[in-house]
Amino acid sequence: GAVVSQHPSWVICKSGTSVKIECRSLDFQATTMFWYRQFPKQSLMLMATSNEGSKATYEQGVEKDKFLINHASLTLSTLTVTSAHPEDSSFYICSAPDRTSGSSEQFFGPGTRLTVL
Amino acid sequence: GDSVTQMEGPVTLSEEAFLTINCTYTATGYPSLFWYVQYPGEGLQLLLKATKADDKGSNKGFEATYRKETTSFHLEKGSVQVSDSAVYFCALTQEYGNKLVFGAGTILRVKS
Repeated sequence: GAVVSQHPSWVICKSGTSVKIECRSLDFQATTMFWYRQFPKQSLMLMATSNEGSKATYEQGVEKDKFLINHASLTLSTLTVTSAHPEDSSFYICSAPDRTSGSSEQFFGPGTRLTVL
Repeated sequence: GDSVTQMEGPVTLSEEAFLTINCTYTATGYPSLFWYVQYPGEGLQLLLKATKADDKGSNKGFEATYRKETTSFHLEKGSVQVSDSAVYFCALTQEYGNKLVFGAGTILRVKS
């Protein structure tokens, strides 16, 4: 199947700094990517839908000024956590549907563990 | 809004035992239903899916049937292996290829 990568796989930062997480579709083009957040022992919660060439669509309750999403190309979406605080520590996961295959099956990245000290 | 409810875990079984993980959903219309599996240290992988009522999805010995009348999509496997130890997520989408709504996940531990 198609592959989605994320970078970095883990990051530790100080409170108040910004962190950028990349999500790449390696062997297909993705006009849409999804960003999820997973708390320990809990489910994945959709944060936003990233759209290539246009603004991201944020879910209710997600601060768009804090979680900046840029979908600069058909294979790359970035999530920047600005002025990170300890409560932003979490596991961030992206996914992308491969619409070119005809099935629109979603493929998930391996996730990025963010720890804010 | 749409929601998915899974049985709480962890579920601990001995090898070769029968597995059932319950999943029910609340949604308008006819969503597509999925089971995803997350092995330790890895990303989510699609295990099986069903796109309409009475469809049965199956893969790697796992199966689940889309029951519209009971709004359920229970995951079953006749004989689990240690390698099946993972977290299992039930999910739905109203539009295939669009955002997914996940259940809380169920940890499965299989002992040898």
